[in-house]
Amino acid sequence: DAGVIQSPRHEVTEMGQEVTLRCKPISGHDYLFWYRQTMMRGLELLIYFNNNVPIDDSGMPEDRFSAKMPNASFSTLKIQPSEPRDSAVYFCASSLARTSGNTIYFGEGSWLTVV
Amino acid sequence: AQSVTQLGSHVSVSEGALVLLRCNYSSSVPPYLFWYVQYPNQGLQLLLKYTSAATLVKGINGFEAEFKKSETSFHLTKPSAHMSDAAEYFCAVSGYGGSQGNLIFGKGTKLSVKP
Repeated sequence: DAGVIQSPRHEVTEMGQEVTLRCKPISGHDYLFWYRQTMMRGLELLIYFNNNVPIDDSGMPEDRFSAKMPNASFSTLKIQPSEPRDSAVYFCASSLARTSGNTIYFGEGSWLTVV
Repeated sequence: AQSVTQLGSHVSVSEGALVLLRCNYSSSVPPYLFWYVQYPNQGLQLLLKYTSAATLVKGINGFEAEFKKSETSFHLTKPSAHMSDAAEYFCAVSGYGGSQGNLIFGKGTKLSVKP
C-alpha cells in the first residue's frame, strides 16, 4: 500500500500568496484529517471529512483557511492569503473507521514556511 | 470531552535503560488509546493501541503500554532503550469512545537516548 501521499513536501512562499497543500488518502479509507504541527501548539486537528463530507472544521483557525475533498482520493488545504504565523508542518491522515481502534495513518507532512 | 496529558516534554535515558513515558487521559466514555512515534522530519507512525481488549498492549520495536482504568493512565515502556528509539512520542485518545474517527493528541514527549 502506498500510504497517505502529500504534496508538496516543502514549500517556501511569501506573505500574501496563496498556498495549496494536496493529499491522497489510502485507498478505501473513509475518513480524512488535516492536522497542523507547531512547536508552540503541538498537533492540532484542523478539519476532518467522512465520505468526502466535512464533519468538523472547528479547528480551522480563520477564514483564510479552507479545505475541500472533491472525491474519495483527493483533498486540498488552501491558505489565502498566507501569513508568517501559518508556518508549520501540515499533516494529512486517513483511516477506515467503524473498525476496532480507528487507527489513523499519517502522511509525511508538508513543511510550509511563509516569509 | 476527551483529553490527554503527557507528563514531561523531554525524557533522557541511557542506552540499555528502561524507557517510561507517561500518559494520562480523560474520557467520559470508554476510550481507545494510542501511542504514536515521530522520527525527525517524518510523519507519525502507530506504535500500539488499546481498544478494550487486553489491558497490556504490545507494539512494535519492543514497546508496550498498560491501560489502568483506576489511574486513567496509559504509560509507554520499553525495558532497554536503543539509540534508534530517539524520537518524539505522542499519546492520543479516540474521540467519542472510538465511535468517531478523530484522535486527540497530547503535547508529545521527546525521548533522547545517551550512549
